[in-house]
Amino acid sequence: QVQLVQSGAEVKKSGASVKISCKASGYTFISNYMHWVRQAPGQGLEWMGIINPSGGSTVYAQKFQGRITMSRDTSTTTVYMELSTLRSEDTAVYYCARGGSAYWYFDIWGRGTLVTVSS
Amino acid sequence: QSALTQPPSVSGSPGQSVTISCTGTSSDVGSYGRVSWYQQPPGTAPKLMIYEVSTRPSGVPDRFSGSKSGNTASLTISGLQAEDEADYYCSSYSSSSTLVFGGGTKVTVL
Repeated sequence: QVQLVQSGAEVKKSGASVKISCKASGYTFISNYMHWVRQAPGQGLEWMGIINPSGGSTVYAQKFQGRITMSRDTSTTTVYMELSTLRSEDTAVYYCARGGSAYWYFDIWGRGTLVTVSS
Repeated sequence: QSALTQPPSVSGSPGQSVTISCTGTSSDVGSYGRVSWYQQPPGTAPKLMIYEVSTRPSGVPDRFSGSKSGNTASLTISGLQAEDEADYYCSSYSSSSTLVFGGGTKVTVL
């Protein structure tokens, strides 16, 4: 079955970077875009950006421009999201979510990775 | 881009219908038929319930339906059940190939 398995929880200091992985299985990796979405404690969902696993092209939300990098490794069917210059407001659960047959919705979600940023 | 506007909470008794609104602008909801809805019970990842305004994925009960008029999309849950208690989020395609979420609505089954 289609699965997205994310890396484990992270604790980082303010100013550091974090890199989260999302391994896809059960489908043709390059056939679907992949999104990253985050959710701060007790808050709503926030779209961060999208990557095309086929060519590696990306689109990022304006809020994260300059601090975020999405990448992929087709040999391991894994996508990555790196966020730099972390601050306390970046404490959140980060989800990878597969784009549907049309990329503008999310049909399969990972279980999420908790990133805690401490000063 | 600004978040879409949803009511913080709605409630209903079992068997009743509830409707959640999702208001955007002419740059997102109003311009594109690319609205989707997600259900998120506490402590779990979101689940796709509706895409492209009104299409239900396989396995989603037909009690869930979606619609859109102008800049506002809506999700209706008919025949409310206890298991429907969760947070619901709308999402829309926006300009420049970006996406935006609503603030979320907590559905309570009385």
